[in-house]
Amino acid sequence: DAKTTQPNSMESNEEEPVHLPCNHSTISGTDYIHWYRQLPSQGPEYVIHGLTSNVNNRMASLAIAEDRKSSTLILHRATLRDAAVYYCILRANSGGSNYKLTFGKGTLLTVNP
Amino acid sequence: GAGVSQTPSNKVTEKGKYVELRCDPISGHTALYWYRQSLGQGPEFLIYFQGTGAADDSGLPNDRFFAVRPEGSVSTLKIQRTERGDSAVYLCASTSTSGPSNEQFFGPGTRLTVL
Repeated sequence: DAKTTQPNSMESNEEEPVHLPCNHSTISGTDYIHWYRQLPSQGPEYVIHGLTSNVNNRMASLAIAEDRKSSTLILHRATLRDAAVYYCILRANSGGSNYKLTFGKGTLLTVNP
Repeated sequence: GAGVSQTPSNKVTEKGKYVELRCDPISGHTALYWYRQSLGQGPEFLIYFQGTGAADDSGLPNDRFFAVRPEGSVSTLKIQRTERGDSAVYLCASTSTSGPSNEQFFGPGTRLTVL
């Protein structure tokens, strides 16, 4: 699987937008970009995913660079409940059936009240 | 609806003992994954089931680890002769069908401590 690079940690203030960057310069044309987050003492939870176009859902927005070598997860108004480790993950469309998630260390987001 | 559940939530055992960790996936989900998460690290893939069969067990660290899913729903991860290095959080995830865009639903994990 192609590798992703994320900052170890970021800090934000409550009610402000947060932009979490991810570099994936070796991404291949069929790799999907996924974001998961893990709140303290919980299992990871899905946030959003995309292939080429920007995506929006109730949790966040995903902005994908035109060359797809980077992406940014956008939380429009951070809340204290958004404090978590955020993982950027590439999933290859391998044609097989095992679409496991390959996690890095992620970005620890701290939200200040 | 009910999510993925895992039991026990915590397990403390002594070195050399045998342990079983259980995962109840979301009803109807055919794909099931086990991951292991050590302190300060992201989860690492262990094994993937499609239905009853282990389609990919390449992430199992050695032959002390084994997993089953006999009826295509509940899965049990079995660890023989536990070692202190096996201490970690063991996570289970399920998904309705396998695909590169499909969301995986995770359970809360079982924290295993080997003394």
